[in-house]
Amino acid sequence: RKEVEQDPGPFNVPEGATVAFNCTYSNSASQSFFWYRQDCRKEPKLLMSVYSSGNEDGRFTAQLNRASQYISLLIRDSKLSDSATYLCVVNGHNQGGKLIFGQGTELSVKP
Amino acid sequence: DTEVTQTPKHLVMGMTNKKSLKCEQHMGHRAMYWYKQKAKKPPELMFVYSYEKLSINESVPSRFSPECPNSSLLNLHLHALQPEDSALYLCASSHFSGSTDTQYFGPGTRLTVL
Repeated sequence: RKEVEQDPGPFNVPEGATVAFNCTYSNSASQSFFWYRQDCRKEPKLLMSVYSSGNEDGRFTAQLNRASQYISLLIRDSKLSDSATYLCVVNGHNQGGKLIFGQGTELSVKP
Repeated sequence: DTEVTQTPKHLVMGMTNKKSLKCEQHMGHRAMYWYKQKAKKPPELMFVYSYEKLSINESVPSRFSPECPNSSLLNLHLHALQPEDSALYLCASSHFSGSTDTQYFGPGTRLTVL
């Protein structure tokens, strides 16, 4: 089993759609959780850190369920500029800063 | 300002060449990282430096040699690379190398080995 697993994608959606990304992680001792977005041929950029209480930033909402070891990202009213690959990332416990990446889910928002 | 800079942006080298990739950050971060990313795959950790000391080497071949001259700079020296080493090389930094620190990535160096 992979340490971090994401929906395989790709997701193709029309503008204005709501998109949900799901991710599970295997190490229950994991400490911190992130969503990064990566545009084609660019570097990963932090989108959101994810907390147990859930957090929202405009159209983006992230949730963490530690009991189920499950992380989600919801994008509302999707825009063309949201097209990118979304990476679910987990920072393990006592792993010296090693990030564990999911395989990424590609999103394509069409007009 | 969460900026990490990397030079060069692109690099083409032969298998007998020696070259270096450079990374710089001025955020006062004490942890710096090298990642390798192949197309359609997530980044893979290569090395971690914490307080200018190598703390993690993910069994990287010796043809890749990291160096941290000071707290702001990170180099990756390349020698006798293979065509399969062609990839995007990403540098990242974080305040510390702890399990709750956010890592910020540089734009990467796209390396092609002929």
